[in-house]
Amino acid sequence: ETGVTQTPRHLVMGMTNKKSLKCEQHLGHNAMYWYKQSAKKPLELMFVYNFKEQTENNSVPSRFSPECPNSSHLFLHLHTLQPEDSALYLCASSHSGGDQETQYFGPGTRLLVL
Amino acid sequence: QKEVEQDPGPLSVPEGAIVSLNCTYSNSAFQYFMWYRQYSRKGPELLMYTYSSGNKEDGRFTAQVDKSSKYISLFIRDSQPSDSATYLCAMSGGDSSYKLIFGSGTRLLVRP
Repeated sequence: ETGVTQTPRHLVMGMTNKKSLKCEQHLGHNAMYWYKQSAKKPLELMFVYNFKEQTENNSVPSRFSPECPNSSHLFLHLHTLQPEDSALYLCASSHSGGDQETQYFGPGTRLLVL
Repeated sequence: QKEVEQDPGPLSVPEGAIVSLNCTYSNSAFQYFMWYRQYSRKGPELLMYTYSSGNKEDGRFTAQVDKSSKYISLFIRDSQPSDSATYLCAMSGGDSSYKLIFGSGTRLLVRP
């Protein structure tokens, strides 16, 4: 595997379900990100992790819960989501420090909340 | 007013045409400028990266930044049907260079 991988690629869940999205990067980076991409809207930064520590929570509702067990893996735990949470969820990674603007994205998980 | 403005298109051009994609922005602190290409049902792929003002060329692609006008451009020469995708501009600056601010994306269709 190379680059940034995400699983599952597609997910359909009810509002009472609990599910998790997984991201893994094989680029030797130390910073990882979750973004939300909704139709016709710009990408929205959700969470940032540097060296496994959360350094940014962009006012994301608590029904989204990130977890970063190490610099290569990132999870997004989902529970009691709303239909408006349906979107493409993208994971990205970068070096920490002076090169954080150069981010590499995974293919995304397309989420549908019924 | 959005921090980054980008015409959503779609922009339809014949194969071989020169394509010009643009973004305007309002934050003068931005100094890192990126262009991403996103194919349907895929994640964004980093295409070009430019620091501060000036031009950068990579094969058929040229990125230009005009900080005085707060305007960035991506030119694609000899466009190919495989260039059909959504192009996203992104920028950041200051102490929070990791906080990329994206445009909404321009959908490009190159007709054979």
